[in-house]
Amino acid sequence: EDKVVQSPLSLVVHEGDTVTLNCSYEVTNFRSLLWYKQEKKAPTFLFMLTSSGIEKKSGRLSSILDKKELFSILNITATQTGDSAVYLCAVDWGGATNKLIFGTGTLLAVQP
Amino acid sequence: NAGVTQTPKFQVLKTGQSMTLQCAQDMNHEYMSWYRQDPGMGLRLIHYSVGAGITDQGEVPNGYNVSRSTTEDFPLRLLSAAPSQTSVYFCASRPHAGGYGYTFGSGTRLTVV
Repeated sequence: EDKVVQSPLSLVVHEGDTVTLNCSYEVTNFRSLLWYKQEKKAPTFLFMLTSSGIEKKSGRLSSILDKKELFSILNITATQTGDSAVYLCAVDWGGATNKLIFGTGTLLAVQP
Repeated sequence: NAGVTQTPKFQVLKTGQSMTLQCAQDMNHEYMSWYRQDPGMGLRLIHYSVGAGITDQGEVPNGYNVSRSTTEDFPLRLLSAAPSQTSVYFCASRPHAGGYGYTFGSGTRLTVV
């Protein structure tokens, strides 16, 4: 069964800390891995990763994919209270439905 | 651009009632889909469409119908609401069948009593 597992389920940090969020997957027909940030409403797109070892960066956020070990990490440096959200990892499944298979998310709380 | 627009934002139904959740996108995306989000279970695919006139089932299609008469619109119909359908529903679209991230609507929080 295809699955995406995120860890930790939740964490609490203080402003300025660096956090690493993990995503492992077992998915047939892997096409790409995506990270989303979800605050109160809809998930918003952060990164799409298709190749191993190539880091993607956007400001204080960065992500990398390891297709051999089947995982990805999302790093957030110098965290701010505005980073508080649920971070979702999803694998783009290249089969008939072309669906995204989502993990259950990591709830990040950044305290002042 | 409005992106993906979902209505209503909130809805309370009684068991057995039917309703339609609306989804419209103005980005000319071919691919549209409906997900439900439940605590501890992540987002799960209900139905999807790869273009006007073409729809198919996802992982959890029972109790839901869809149609795609135009590129822009992809309504989700609940035939006879059940408490198990209490959830947050998201419509999402992307340009092609793969290779791009989804753009999500703002969601509909549905409660069935």
